[in-house]
Order: sequence, then C-alpha cells, then structure tokens
Amino acid sequence: NAGVMQNPRHLVRRRGQEARLRCSPMKGHSHVYWYRQLPEEGLKFMVYLQKENIIDESGMPKERFSAEFPKEGPSILRIQQVVRGDSAAYFCASSTDRGNQPQHFGDGTRLSIL
Amino acid sequence: DQQVKQNSPSLSVQEGRISILNCDYTNSMFDYFLWYKKYPAEGPTFLISISSIKDKNEDGRFTVFLNKSAKHLSLHIVPSQPGDSAVYFCAAREYNNNDMRFGAGTRLTVKP
Repeated sequence: NAGVMQNPRHLVRRRGQEARLRCSPMKGHSHVYWYRQLPEEGLKFMVYLQKENIIDESGMPKERFSAEFPKEGPSILRIQQVVRGDSAAYFCASSTDRGNQPQHFGDGTRLSIL
Repeated sequence: DQQVKQNSPSLSVQEGRISILNCDYTNSMFDYFLWYKKYPAEGPTFLISISSIKDKNEDGRFTVFLNKSAKHLSLHIVPSQPGDSAVYFCAAREYNNNDMRFGAGTRLTVKP
C-alpha cells in the first residue's frame, strides 16, 4: 500500500487522557502535515514536519498538543489531557517537497472524547 | 479568518450536465490553488491544481479556472457522473508556505 497510512482510524478517550495519532507518509515522501477537521468545517492546518524537524507549527494550539517525525518510524501527533473540544477528525498528509506539489492525505483518525 | 470561502454548502445536478463549484479567496499572496474531493470516512483526494501564472487547467472531465483579479476560482466537471457525488474542498497556499488554507467544502450530489 503506497498511500498515507494513519492509525488508529477511530480513537476514543476520556477527558484527561492522552491521545496518540500515528501517520506513515507515502513512500518517498519526507514532508508530513497534520490537519484537523471539526464537524461541518474545512480542514485547518496544524503543523508541518520533515524528518526530525518541525518546520511550521503555526496552527498548533500552544498547550497540550505536540508533534514529532522521528528519523525512524511514523509521525506522531500527541494530545495530552484531552478535552471534549478535541473531538475531531485529524488528517495527515505528505508530499515530496515544498514546491508546487499536492499533498496526499490519509483517511484520518476520528478522535472522540467522552 | 476565512481566507478561502466556498459559499455554497451544497449543489445538486443531473447526471450528464455540468457541475460548477466556486471558491473565493482574500489573500492576494496565494499563488497555488488545489481542489480535493472527499468521500465520507475517507481522506481528501487530490483532484486538480492551478498555479497563479495560469488561468485554466484541464484534466479530463475536470477543468479549473482562475480569475486573479476577482480572486475567484471554479471547478467545472463535465459531464457529471453519479460517482462524482462527494464533498469538494478548495485549497490555496502561498509559494513556499505550507499553511494550506481550505474552504469549508461544497457537497455535490449528481442525480442519475
């Protein structure tokens, strides 16, 4: 499967717990992006990473949210002490470089907070 | 701050006819525009793009038109097919800026 892989597809957490969302980019892609989609809204950019580096995190909430893309393994979006408002679909995308190339998306992780 | 706007939340067309989806933007620094298609429970799928040096890009049944002076772009699908029924997102970004801005989407329904 050469597409962007996200897991889990569905994640349920109670308030105060931690959520970890994983994303493996397409083969050959070294740029990863995370987006959040709230119900009835478009996708909101959160963070852009390359291997071992955060390039742009201007869309990330200042607290509780963090992202990494280690040298080995998938990119991780981590949400600590989740609250009801974190319930959303989180999409990961990848691309080859920063030029005019489209980003390719995974099928998302639907996070539900009880 | 909604820099990319899709003012029609839904559109319904008959199979075989043309579908026209519209998108407006406010940021004059945007120079690359994309359309994505999304089915329920799936991620957005890239459809077609256009850079600001062009005013038209065509790929099979899909054509994107860009009017820079009006800050408006549109996606034409002709002929429309029932399988085109999905939510279509318009996106835009500045050159070398990864903050891709999305519209809220337009739900297209193509009736057989």
